[in-house]
Amino acid sequence: GQQVMQIPQYQHVQEGEDFTTYCNSSTTLSNIQWYKQRPGGHPVFLIQLVKSGEVKKQKRLTFQFGEAKKNSSLHITATQTTDVGTYFCAGINNNDMRFGAGTRLTVKP
Amino acid sequence: DGGITQSPKYLFRKEGQNVTLSCEQNLNHDAMYWYRQDPGQGLRLIYYSQIVNDFQKGDIAEGYSVSREKKESFPLTVTSAQKNPTAFYLCASSTGRGRTEAFFGQGTRLTVV
Repeated sequence: GQQVMQIPQYQHVQEGEDFTTYCNSSTTLSNIQWYKQRPGGHPVFLIQLVKSGEVKKQKRLTFQFGEAKKNSSLHITATQTTDVGTYFCAGINNNDMRFGAGTRLTVKP
Repeated sequence: DGGITQSPKYLFRKEGQNVTLSCEQNLNHDAMYWYRQDPGQGLRLIYYSQIVNDFQKGDIAEGYSVSREKKESFPLTVTSAQKNPTAFYLCASSTGRGRTEAFFGQGTRLTVV
């Protein structure tokens, strides 16, 4: 079955440093979604990518979908303490949706 | 306000007892889901329903049961057959599975002692 791997599991950065999390699927995806879960909270939708090679930006966040539609990344430029939380990707194929294990980001002020 | 509501936020049960977690949404979403979250393991799908009176098992359905008698409601019962029920349970809904964003409830933290 479809598997979605996400790395790294944890990332600790100094405020102002950049951060990237990577998501890889064992199968070709129709689309991919990204979610953020603040500590003690619930996942909140960030964005959906659909097209091969698609790049989307939300302020300091840049999302990419690979050409083969099997991988994706989320990059945060100049992290802030408000960026702390766990970032999940969710790969979708034929209505089958699988979440990655998430990358937990901590930011030291 | 539209949204998805889970109750209670914290739940304690004795081992061997069944317990039902509530999930209600007023977003008029067809699809609803239950996930279990354990530290370092992301979100694992327990059950999902794409339409009223129909539901399918997810990856870890053993020891759980659900019903979907109303579009707005998708309760999850954790039975005594579930070997390790202590976890954080999240309910979500969407207009269609994987096509649009999923909205999550606040979650229920179940502790079985």
